[in-house]
Amino acid sequence: GDSVTQTEGLVTLTKGLPVMLNCTYQTTYSPFLFWYVQHLNEAPKLLLKSSTDNKRTEHQGFYATLHKSSSSFHLQKSSVQLSDSALYFCALSPNNYAQGLTFGLGTRVSVFP
Amino acid sequence: DMKVTQMPRYLIKRMGENVLLECGQDMSHETMYWYRQDPGLGLQLIYISYDVDSNSEGDIPKGYRVSRKKREHFSLILDSAKTNQTSVYFCASSFSGTSNTEVFFGKGTRLTVV
Repeated sequence: GDSVTQTEGLVTLTKGLPVMLNCTYQTTYSPFLFWYVQHLNEAPKLLLKSSTDNKRTEHQGFYATLHKSSSSFHLQKSSVQLSDSALYFCALSPNNYAQGLTFGLGTRVSVFP
Repeated sequence: DMKVTQMPRYLIKRMGENVLLECGQDMSHETMYWYRQDPGLGLQLIYISYDVDSNSEGDIPKGYRVSRKKREHFSLILDSAKTNQTSVYFCASSFSGTSNTEVFFGKGTRLTVV
């Protein structure tokens, strides 16, 4: 079956530093990949999505590139802010009808002053 | 204002009681979902609904059932709740069930079964 792997459970860093959150996936279909962000006691919200190989997609200072050759969709930001402290989920939707999203376990990011 | 609304936000039930979690969306989305979120397990799909009375099991449907009688409402029912059903439950919706559609989530219902 489909799966998403996020290797970091917790990332702690200082404001202004860069961050990269790893995401790899397995599917037999041509995938859509998503990053969702969940702030404390809030709903998960879409941050980025992509299905285009080797094309960088950006939103709110975050960016990611889908690499089908390595089945990866890592999330990056050049300079984190305190407001970036949240839970980040990588998710996969296979290119067929309505299976629902398959989520990774999530990476909690804590940014300190 | 596009949103998914879940009621109640917090719920405490005794083991063996029936539980009804309600969800509404104001976007006329065809597809709706129920997920549960547990520490270390991420978000797991319980049920998916493609439209009124068109429901399908997700990855962890055991112990749950759903009801969708109107497009904008999707209910999750726990018949005889168990302590291992203590979790945060998220309802979500999307315009269609195709791959590239953004999924909108509610704020969740924190259910504690004691």
